[in-house]
Amino acid sequence: QVQLVQSGAEVKKPGASVKVSCKASGDTFSSYHMHWVRQAPGQGLEWMGILKSSGGSTTYAQKFQGRVTMTRDTSTSTVYMELSSLKSEDTAVYYCAREVVDIYHFDHWGQGTLVTVSS
Amino acid sequence: QSALTQPRSVSGSPGQSVTISCTGTSSDVGGYKYVSWYQHHPGKAPKLMIYDVTKRPSGVPDRFSGSKSGNTASLTISGLQAEDEADYYCCSYAGRPYVFGTGTKVTVL
Repeated sequence: QVQLVQSGAEVKKPGASVKVSCKASGDTFSSYHMHWVRQAPGQGLEWMGILKSSGGSTTYAQKFQGRVTMTRDTSTSTVYMELSSLKSEDTAVYYCAREVVDIYHFDHWGQGTLVTVSS
Repeated sequence: QSALTQPRSVSGSPGQSVTISCTGTSSDVGGYKYVSWYQHHPGKAPKLMIYDVTKRPSGVPDRFSGSKSGNTASLTISGLQAEDEADYYCCSYAGRPYVFGTGTKVTVL
């Protein structure tokens, strides 16, 4: 049974960075890409970027380029999303979501991590 | 990449059908066969309901169906049930990036 388990809620001050983890289990880690999607309060889902299975290459949404870094630790089947220079508008629930390689949809999601940015 | 356009809300009585539209451009919805739909209950993880425009994952009731014409995709829920009340989002592959819709709240009256 595939599971994506994310790290707990975070509270950060403006200008700080946050690093959210997503640990995968129940399937072969190398056979899927991992995406990050966020939802700000009262807003819709927003795609942030992809960490690809082969070689760990990344593509980020233009909005987040320069501020987001997605990495992985294959030894623990864990992916990470770090967002820097946080602003109040980054307050959101952040989700990891799995895409089996090149099927172009997200078949499993993490439970979400609330990141609150407040002074 | 702009968000795909969905109606803010739709509603229907139990047993009725509702359809949610998702309008994009030839660079996303119209250009690829990779439109998916997600059901999102507040506080829970989104759930895949439709992928590749028309396909249903195992376990999703056949009351849910998808279609596409030109730059607009649609999700139809037939035989509406109380548990269908949720937010629904379309998503289109657009050559990396992906783009989500603005979201539609489905209310069961």
